[in-house]
Amino acid sequence: EAGVAQSPRYKIIEKRQSVAFWCNPISGHATLYWYQQILGQGPKLLIQFQNNGVVDDSQLPKDRFSAERLKGVDSTLKIQPAKLEDSAVYLCASSLSSGGEETQYFGPGTRLLVL
Amino acid sequence: AQKVTQAQTEISVVEKEDVTLDCVYETRDTTYYLFWYKQPPSGELVFLIRRNSFDEQNEISGRYSWNFQKSTSSFNFTITASQVVDSAVYFCALSGQGAQKLVFGQGTRLTINP
Repeated sequence: EAGVAQSPRYKIIEKRQSVAFWCNPISGHATLYWYQQILGQGPKLLIQFQNNGVVDDSQLPKDRFSAERLKGVDSTLKIQPAKLEDSAVYLCASSLSSGGEETQYFGPGTRLLVL
Repeated sequence: AQKVTQAQTEISVVEKEDVTLDCVYETRDTTYYLFWYKQPPSGELVFLIRRNSFDEQNEISGRYSWNFQKSTSSFNFTITASQVVDSAVYFCALSGQGAQKLVFGQGTRLTINP
């Protein structure tokens, strides 16, 4: 079974530019998550989708970050405009459903460097 | 609020030594779930184990074992006869019932030297 796919794997941009990340979850997984992992820290949840609806976006900086999951499968996370402090690894994960007992499976991540 | 503390930032041991990674958690939920993930240099978080709060049995999987103690709110991870391939950052994480987010600890960087 294919795992969570993410692209690109690496991205370098200048501050104030925009960037987008793509995620394809494990087939059949209804719940999709985007995490931000700053160097030396644990992942922090940005947004959680159940099918194509948002379950939790309380930690998403909505003035610059946006995410969508239009058909309940793939998802895109966008940053516009980027700041230096956005340099991090952006991890996508998926699970069968949204319950706390569900195991989340992670993709390889996208490493973003903002100069 | 839920919280996970991994007090050991970095651990370095020689191959074949046993090593224990500590995890202490805080939650007000009576039902909760604990996880361990491994993050090798490639960056992907690899799921290792999930434990339910109502199941305190310890678990062993090959060289890996987990000790869950509700009395001390700890969920420690032991690697027996460590190998160089075990070198990675290990994260402990916690979630509650319902659509609750996974809360991660800061991680422990484990280096196994040949």
